[in-house]
Amino acid sequence: KNEVEQSPQNLTAQEGEFITINCSYSVGISALHWLQQHPGGGIVSLFMLSSGKKKHGRLIATINIQEKHSSLHITASHPRDSAVYICAVPNTGNQFYFGTGTSLTVIP
Amino acid sequence: EAGVAQSPRYKIIEKRQSVAFWCNPISGHATLYWYQQILGQGPKLLIQFQNNGVVDDSQLPKDRFSAERLKGVDSTLKIQPAKLEDSAVYLCASRQRNGNTIYFGEGSWLTVV
Repeated sequence: KNEVEQSPQNLTAQEGEFITINCSYSVGISALHWLQQHPGGGIVSLFMLSSGKKKHGRLIATINIQEKHSSLHITASHPRDSAVYICAVPNTGNQFYFGTGTSLTVIP
Repeated sequence: EAGVAQSPRYKIIEKRQSVAFWCNPISGHATLYWYQQILGQGPKLLIQFQNNGVVDDSQLPKDRFSAERLKGVDSTLKIQPAKLEDSAVYLCASRQRNGNTIYFGEGSWLTVV
């Protein structure tokens, strides 16, 4: 079993739709990261959160520490949001456990 | 602030050939990671450096992969000889010693044919 599980693996949405990507983890954490990877590009950190909710533009990330669950929401989705979204949690060895990613395609 | 720089961005080689990737982390970042990301999977740690010392290389296939960070700044990752299954994106990342945020480079895409 992976330490970090994401769902769904693949997601196709129409432009304007509200999108939710889920992440569950099995280890104790100090913070959880949401990362974005564009085709042909590197990885960009979107959020780091340890409790509650954070918002940046149309992106919202929430975390429930007790339930070991986090969600990434995209409101009013746009084709430029098409990317792979990866959930990552740090381990005690100063490294990260990564989810396998959610591949999002937003169709105009 | 300059980000993590990697080169080359793309490389196509034949199996059994060798390849080297270079990474320049963010200035002052003591921790440097090399990850391998196969299409459809999350990144897998190959090696972690703290300054010029290796912290963890347990998942590095040492019969063909090697990495160094001689002066505690730049790092190189070498594959020799390459196999078809080495086709992947090789991501370099860096982090401040006590920082929580990890910064990734653009990645080096390797195709072995």
